[in-house]
Amino acid sequence: NAGVTQTPKFRVLKTGQSMTLLCAQDMNHEYMYWYRQDPGMGLRLIHYSVGEGTTAKGEVPDGYNVSRLKKQNFLLGLESAAPSQTSVYFCASATGFSEQYFGPGTRLTVT
Amino acid sequence: AQSVTQLDSQVPVFEEAPVELRCNYSSSVSVYLFWYVQYPNQGLQLLLKYLSGSTLVESINGFEAEFNKSQTSFHLRKPSVHISDTAEYFCAVSEGNTGFQKLVFGTGTRLLVSP
Repeated sequence: NAGVTQTPKFRVLKTGQSMTLLCAQDMNHEYMYWYRQDPGMGLRLIHYSVGEGTTAKGEVPDGYNVSRLKKQNFLLGLESAAPSQTSVYFCASATGFSEQYFGPGTRLTVT
Repeated sequence: AQSVTQLDSQVPVFEEAPVELRCNYSSSVSVYLFWYVQYPNQGLQLLLKYLSGSTLVESINGFEAEFNKSQTSFHLRKPSVHISDTAEYFCAVSEGNTGFQKLVFGTGTRLLVSP
């Protein structure tokens, strides 16, 4: 079991460029989440999904879009990157009343 | 709305000393509580959790936390820390009335263990 994997691990974008972050889990979890982590602010929920084909907004959704076409994958898109989106992005998955399992993170810098 | 407060952003401690990392939460309903640990340049790993039952929960590496409903706290303790415990620790809360967990995290406490 690989658990939760994220690609890429690092990325540098110029302002206005777009990109997609991929999260994959092999634990057959129903629920998947995208967070961003910024110094002194903990983790903040961007978007989440309660099942294949469903997505919902979290605490800080502006500037991001997501899709969950397959149960095991959860994609996070930035259509027009801004410096304020420089952050470390974490994906997580969970099932039922279990804890969330986190991926290793993607470090994104927008210049 | 739920919120989690970790008052200490950084806690320096000497090896083999005891440590307490504080966590307070606010919620109007029953909650599930979690402590996650993040080692440098890694993702978050679950350290321990309180779902129900005994209010004292323990991890496999010597940490423990006690759920105190009257004080709305879930402080993390270890009687003797090791250098390898140096990491950032996050407290998180989820309202426990559904199977779906939407966690609210505190801002984290960086534990710095020195020889």
